[in-house]
Order: sequence, then structure tokens, then C-alpha cells
Amino acid sequence: DAKTTQPPSMDCAEGRAANLPCNHSTISGNEYVYWYRQIHSQGPQYIIHGLKNNETNEMASLIITEDRKSSTLILPHATLRDTAVYYCIVRLSGGSNYKLTFGKGTLLTVNP
Amino acid sequence: EAGVAQSPRYKIIEKRQSVAFWCNPISGHATLYWYQQILGQGPKLLIQFQNNGVVDDSQLPKDRFSAERLKGVDSTLKIQPAKLEDSAVYLCASSLMASGDTQYFGPGTRLTVL
Repeated sequence: DAKTTQPPSMDCAEGRAANLPCNHSTISGNEYVYWYRQIHSQGPQYIIHGLKNNETNEMASLIITEDRKSSTLILPHATLRDTAVYYCIVRLSGGSNYKLTFGKGTLLTVNP
Repeated sequence: EAGVAQSPRYKIIEKRQSVAFWCNPISGHATLYWYQQILGQGPKLLIQFQNNGVVDDSQLPKDRFSAERLKGVDSTLKIQPAKLEDSAVYLCASSLMASGDTQYFGPGTRLTVL
């Protein structure tokens, strides 16, 4: 079962920042937070991941709370092409099995 | 760089028939994954290969599903016989190694069992 809780859906206006929350209250010290997204009729696409510190790349920023029990994915300037299901996943950092356990994610709809 | 290739993109079969899906991972990627995604749900891992060895097949319904990755490159996932509840998108993903690397997904094969 997924170890994360996300709202089922969110709306955002084009050009505004989209802030997608995720709760992972049972996360352990050696587990990373990963974000993937899935645009309609495509396979999931990696966005970003982090352990403790905030992370930023060309796609998004990831803010992880100090207690690591929740995080927020930020798309700074959402476009219509960002409409997708966003998955927050907690994943081990050691061992040989790095399977991704997906929940139902958040459907982000970016409106013109 | 070419992405993960899958074929066919769509398949419609009758229940009790057999079907096979093919996946070609990104060149040089040692780890290959097959996921099943039922409508409205997130993908669920069926099987993970490291080169041509199975790392995890705990969620593969072995009475009807089989998968192989001969020579540690391409992979085939087979269902025989298919059931109505097997209607789903079958996604293949690959990563450079297993050790926490990013997984890259193909476009998937949409299977409809009538």
C-alpha cells in the first residue's frame, strides 16, 4: 500500500504557481520522497526527489518539512501542459529492490 | 537518446485468449520493470529484472502471467489465459541500475479483454 496521502484533485490558473501537498507521516530515515507525473495516455515521468533538504530542478521545487512528515511540490509557472496526475512516492534508498509504490495521486488541472 | 519502446500500443482480445507485450529499454539500462495500471489507479509493479535475473515478482499472478528478459535487454510479458480483470495499461520502465536510479517509463500497452 502507498505510504502517502494526496488530495484527489486540484485546480490552478495558467501562469500561477501550483502547490501540490503530500503527507507521509510514517516515513523512515532512509526513505526518499519522489514525485512523478502522468500526462493522459502517457507513461509516468520523473520530476524530482529529495531526502531532507529542499530541492529544485528545471521542472519543479520540492519543499520537505523539517520533521519530514509532509512535502510540497511546486510548479512555479504552471502551463496547460502541466495538466496531469501527480504522484508522491516514498521509496527506500538501500537494498536491491527499488520498486515505486504508486497511490492514486492528485489530478492537477491547469485552467486558461 | 531513445526512450523506452513498447509494442503493441493497443490490443483487444477475448477472455481465455493469450497475449504478449514487448519492451525495449533504454540502451545500457540494467534494470527493467513491468507495471500494471488499472483505470483510475496508480501503476502496480508486477516484476522487476536486474539484467536477466528476477529481483521481485511477488505481485505477478504466476498462474497466468509470465515474463522473461533473455540476454538482459528486451523483455516480453505474457498473459495466458486472459481474464476480464486483466484489462489495463501495461507499462514498462527501465533504470540504469537498481540503486535508486530514476525509472523511465514507456508509453504503455492498453489491453482490453472482452
